[in-house]
Amino acid sequence: DAGVTQSPTHLIKTRGQQVTLRCSPKSGHDTVSWYQQALGQGPQFIFQYYEEEERQRGNFPDRFSGHQFPNYSSELNVNALLLGDSALYLCASSGGGGPEAFFGQGTRLTVV
Amino acid sequence: GENVEQHPSTLSVQEGDSAVIKCTYSDSASNYFPWYKQELGKRPQLIIDIRSNVGEKKDQRIAVTLNKTAKHFSLHITETQPEDSAVYFCAAKTGGFKTIFGAGTRLFVKA
Repeated sequence: DAGVTQSPTHLIKTRGQQVTLRCSPKSGHDTVSWYQQALGQGPQFIFQYYEEEERQRGNFPDRFSGHQFPNYSSELNVNALLLGDSALYLCASSGGGGPEAFFGQGTRLTVV
Repeated sequence: GENVEQHPSTLSVQEGDSAVIKCTYSDSASNYFPWYKQELGKRPQLIIDIRSNVGEKKDQRIAVTLNKTAKHFSLHITETQPEDSAVYFCAAKTGGFKTIFGAGTRLFVKA
């Protein structure tokens, strides 16, 4: 079991561009949450996906959107990138209402 | 709004001493309180958690306490070792599905 995997690991984009990040949950997990972690700060909750629906959202603008596929994998899309979107993006998976014990290694996004 | 405050931001202890990190939360509907350890350049790892119906939980050198009335919870690490050096995050799961993280405590254990 590979645990939670994310791709890509690093990404550099230009202001105004769009980006898609991907997450595969741990085997047997059906819930994926996405977080943004700025340098030196704690992870900030973006949203959570369950049964292919966004079931809760944090305080992030509509430029941040997501999707969950029937195999429970998930994508995070960010449109009209700003310099302030530069951060480590983490996904965490859980199953059966259990804790978010498993995080992916993250995608380091740099916006220039 | 929902908030988790964490103190101290930096903690330096001598090997073998104890370390205590404290957090407070604002949403009284919070019902689950995990603690994560994040080493430099690595993913957060869940090290211990506690639910709102429990006051204390221990796992070897790590313990967590919860005071629901005061909306406080704390992490206690005894007999610290150099490999305990990392950033520690407390978090609170709100009445819904959102998990709010504290800002983190950078722990240094000096050999």
